[in-house]
Amino acid sequence: EAGVAQSPRYKIIEKRQSVAFWCNPISGHATLYWYQQILGQGPKLLIQFQNNGVVDDSQLPKDRFSAERLKGVDSTLKIQPAKLEDSAVYLCASSFQTGMAAFFGQGTRLTVV
Amino acid sequence: GQQVMQIPQYQHVQEGEDFTTYCNSSTTLSNIQWYKQRPGGHPVFLIQLVKSGEVKKQKRLTFQFGEAKKNSSLHITATQTTDVGTYFCAGIMIYNQGGKLIFGQGTELSVKP
Repeated sequence: EAGVAQSPRYKIIEKRQSVAFWCNPISGHATLYWYQQILGQGPKLLIQFQNNGVVDDSQLPKDRFSAERLKGVDSTLKIQPAKLEDSAVYLCASSFQTGMAAFFGQGTRLTVV
Repeated sequence: GQQVMQIPQYQHVQEGEDFTTYCNSSTTLSNIQWYKQRPGGHPVFLIQLVKSGEVKKQKRLTFQFGEAKKNSSLHITATQTTDVGTYFCAGIMIYNQGGKLIFGQGTELSVKP
């Protein structure tokens, strides 16, 4: 079975530019997560979807970050405008249902210069 | 806010020594999951504990879930160099519309041959 697909793998942008990340979860997985992982830290939950509804986005900086999961399948995370402190790995994960094992993609490493 | 704390942050052991990492939550958890992240990789699911006081074993790894469902531990017996990586606990916190998966800061294990 195919895993969680993310693209791009790497992205370098200048501050104040915009960037978008894409995630395709494992087929049939209802729950999709976006995490931000800064070097040396644990993954920080940005947003969690259940199908196409938002379960939690309390840690999402909504003035600059947005995410959507149209049709309850793949998802995009956008940052506009980017700041230097947004440099991190953005991980997408999915699980069959909330509370079950989460499977992660390879992540997108974002560098903001 | 709701937090999952993990200690220690780092652990350096000689190959063959034991290793333990501890996880504590500020709130009662629905269940707890453990993940391993190799350097440069993404978190990989190891196990999930659901019941109060539950103990599970995977070869040299022993996982425990506290009676109050607020703490957990991972113990590795006789570490090997293949155990190197960062171990994360992640708790399912019951929320308005379901549960959200919150990660601890992780314990980075290095094993000296």
